[in-house]
Amino acid sequence: GQQVMQIPQYQHVQEGEDFTTYCNSSTTLSNIQWYKQRPGGHPVFLIQLVKSGEVKKQKRLTFQFGEAKKNSSLHITATQTTDVGTYFCAGVGGNKLVFGAGTILRVKS
Amino acid sequence: GAGVSQSPRYKVAKRGQDVALRCDPISGHVSLFWYQQALGQGPEFLTYFQNEAQLDKSGLPSDRFFAERPEGSVSTLKIQRTQQEDSAVYLCASSLLGQGTYEQYFGPGTRLTVT
Repeated sequence: GQQVMQIPQYQHVQEGEDFTTYCNSSTTLSNIQWYKQRPGGHPVFLIQLVKSGEVKKQKRLTFQFGEAKKNSSLHITATQTTDVGTYFCAGVGGNKLVFGAGTILRVKS
Repeated sequence: GAGVSQSPRYKVAKRGQDVALRCDPISGHVSLFWYQQALGQGPEFLTYFQNEAQLDKSGLPSDRFFAERPEGSVSTLKIQRTQQEDSAVYLCASSLLGQGTYEQYFGPGTRLTVT
């Protein structure tokens, strides 16, 4: 079945440094969603990408969808302590939403 | 309502007991999903309802798992004869329409521990 892989599994950065997480799917996706889960919390929707090569920005967050619609990335510029949490991509292929294992971000102040 | 609510928030069950987990979706949301999240993993799809119809139950791990949404609003996930491997957080999510088309709003989850 469809698999969604995320790397890295874990990243610990100094406050102010940049952070990137990458998501790869074994199959072509119709769209991809990104969620953030704070420690002890539940996933919260960040964004959805639909078009091949799409780039969307939310303040310090930049999301990209690959040309082949099989990969995506999330880049955070100048991390802050409020960015701490686990970032999940979730691929939509067929009728299912398949989550990656997530990238845990820790920020040292 | 303000968001998706789930109850109980924590449940400890002895192996072999039956449990029932409840989800109250956002009012007016047509679609409802159940996920299982193991420690350090992403949510894994269990089942999906559109109104009262269960359109996809392919993620239910065994016939001990059963979900219903009889009136197209509140949903219950039931696990019979719980096993230790059932220990996880069970997340419910709702969305306006469609499985992957719209953003999903997650509840706080029920943490199930089977001893």
